[in-house]
Order: sequence, then C-alpha cells, then structure tokens
Amino acid sequence: KAGVTQTPRYLIKTRGQQVTLSCSPISGHRSVSWYQQTPGQGLQFLFEYFSETQRNKGNFPGRFSGRQFSNSRSEMNVSTLELGDSALYLCASRREGNYGYTFGSGTRLTVV
Amino acid sequence: AQSVTQPDIHITVSEGASLELRCNYSYGATPYLFWYVQSPGQGLQLLLKYFSGDTLVQGIKGFEAEFKRSQSSFNLRKPSVHWSDAAEYFCAHTGVELSFGAGTTVTVRA
Repeated sequence: KAGVTQTPRYLIKTRGQQVTLSCSPISGHRSVSWYQQTPGQGLQFLFEYFSETQRNKGNFPGRFSGRQFSNSRSEMNVSTLELGDSALYLCASRREGNYGYTFGSGTRLTVV
Repeated sequence: AQSVTQPDIHITVSEGASLELRCNYSYGATPYLFWYVQSPGQGLQLLLKYFSGDTLVQGIKGFEAEFKRSQSSFNLRKPSVHWSDAAEYFCAHTGVELSFGAGTTVTVRA
C-alpha cells in the first residue's frame, strides 16, 4: 500500500515569505501529525489533526498553522519565515486507536 | 514531565559486532515505547514498538528491544551489525503525542 507522501521534498524560501507543505496519509489513517527536525532541537511535535480538527498542539508560535481536509490530507503553513525555520518537516499518520505512526520522507525547507 | 533519554550521542561499531543502544524513559504508567531509524535525508522508519505483554520485542531488520520496568529502560539490540545499519536511531514514547529522544548516530566500520 502507498505510504505517507509529503510534497514537495525540497523547498527554498526567502525570509519573510510564507510556505505551505502537504501531507497525504496512508489510506484509512485519519490522524496526521507534524514534526520539525533540526540539528539543535531534534524532533519536535508541531500539531496533530484528526477528522479535520486540531487535536493537539506543540509549543510553536502562531506562525505555524495547519489544517486537515475531509480526505485526511493535511497541510501546514508557516508565515513570515525566519532563518531558524530551516528544518526537515516530517508528517506521520496513524489509524485511530493504533499507535503505529508511519512517517513520510519529509520536506526539507531552507530559508535564506 | 514525560521524557525519553538516549545517553549515547554517537556509537561506532565494527561490522559483524553486536550493537546495543540505550534508552531510558521517565513516565508514571507503563508507556508506549518505540524505536525508529532514520537514514540521512530520509523519514523515520519504525523498527519495533512495545505496548504491553512480553518484555522482549522483536522488530524488523534483526533488531530487538527489552523493556525493563525496574531500570526504566528500553534498550535496542542487534547481534550482528551490517554496514547498512549505519543511521540515526531514535527512541520515542507516546502520551498525548510522540516524543523523541535526542537520537544516537551509529557508524559502522569495516
């Protein structure tokens, strides 16, 4: 079966711009979570969506937002990009009641 | 606060030798524990998970982990390492969300 698909794989943006990343979960998985990975901070939880509702949120500023569509696909948006937002952004999906998270290959965002 | 700690930042092991990666958790109830592996520039692949029951868990790629409540540990082991096992390994637990340790980078020398 198809895995978790994240697009695009690589992205270069300028400070102050905004960016939207996309995640298509495994079919049947209604929970989608987003993580930021940086060398300094490691893997940090951004937010989780389930049935189009944000269920949990990590400790990130309001510039980071997300949404989930009725087909469970999710997007995250970062506005007013800062250099420190350069990171690998990972999406994970799981079936409700099952804690087997499956991760996508990530989107590498570089802010210049 | 709930957390997992990976004491070793970097481990170098010879091909064919055994490997053990340490993970300690801090949690009141029995946690759900995971080990993930990440190759450079890639996402995370689940190696194995522990929810309850048998404390020795078998995973993919020949890995296993043992849950020891008395030591608050969930160490990952592999009897004989292959060059393809060179990667970064993350221990994680889930409460509200999946929380990761800082990771251990494994280098395999010929």
